[in-house]
Amino acid sequence: AQTVTQSQPEMSVQEAETVTLSCTYDTSENNYYLFWYKQPPSRQMILVIRQEAYKQQNATENRFSVNFQKAAKSFSLKISDSQLGDTAMYFCAFMKGDSGGGADGLTFGKGTHLIIQP
Amino acid sequence: DAGVTQSPTHLIKTRGQQVTLRCSPKSGHDTVSWYQQALGQGPQFIFQYYEEEERQRGNFPDRFSGHQFPNYSSELNVNALLLGDSALYLCASSPTGAGHYHTQYFGPGTRLTVL
Repeated sequence: AQTVTQSQPEMSVQEAETVTLSCTYDTSENNYYLFWYKQPPSRQMILVIRQEAYKQQNATENRFSVNFQKAAKSFSLKISDSQLGDTAMYFCAFMKGDSGGGADGLTFGKGTHLIIQP
Repeated sequence: DAGVTQSPTHLIKTRGQQVTLRCSPKSGHDTVSWYQQALGQGPQFIFQYYEEEERQRGNFPDRFSGHQFPNYSSELNVNALLLGDSALYLCASSPTGAGHYHTQYFGPGTRLTVL
């Protein structure tokens, strides 16, 4: 079974600063996918960024980037030029790869509550 | 292009009752997964439906059951409700085939309160 650990229950930074959220995971799988999801108070879970384990290059999406360290089983999220709208719960999630097509179930961490202060 | 939709938004039931939650996947998606999110926790995987069959299941009792229809929409049924079933229930859809088929897109959720 896979486990995902987010060790920072809450973080607070000033607007325009850069912040890094930590995530570690444990798995014996070699083929898998990692995700960061954002859940604002509206509770809609929104995909922020995804990373395929077979890719060495770190994924980036505008102000969001990841630091994927496969050997260390670490997958941190960096948010640059943080904005008030980035305030939300952030969840790290793991998905096992499969050979049959179609998605697998996601395993989530407990989340980090990120607060962007004006 | 409509995203994932869920109904109802909120629901209040009493212990022992049964409940049905509904989900319509994003256009072009044929796989539906259900998650339970207790307050202050990350979502927990309940099960996944593909081609109208349960494809995978998480660690949930048989009181939790589901169905997928030919139009890919899905229902989650919970029997003999317990107080501990109070949670946000999230539906997620994903496509099969080449490309980002491992990416799941979530609906807004149904908040279930069991009294």
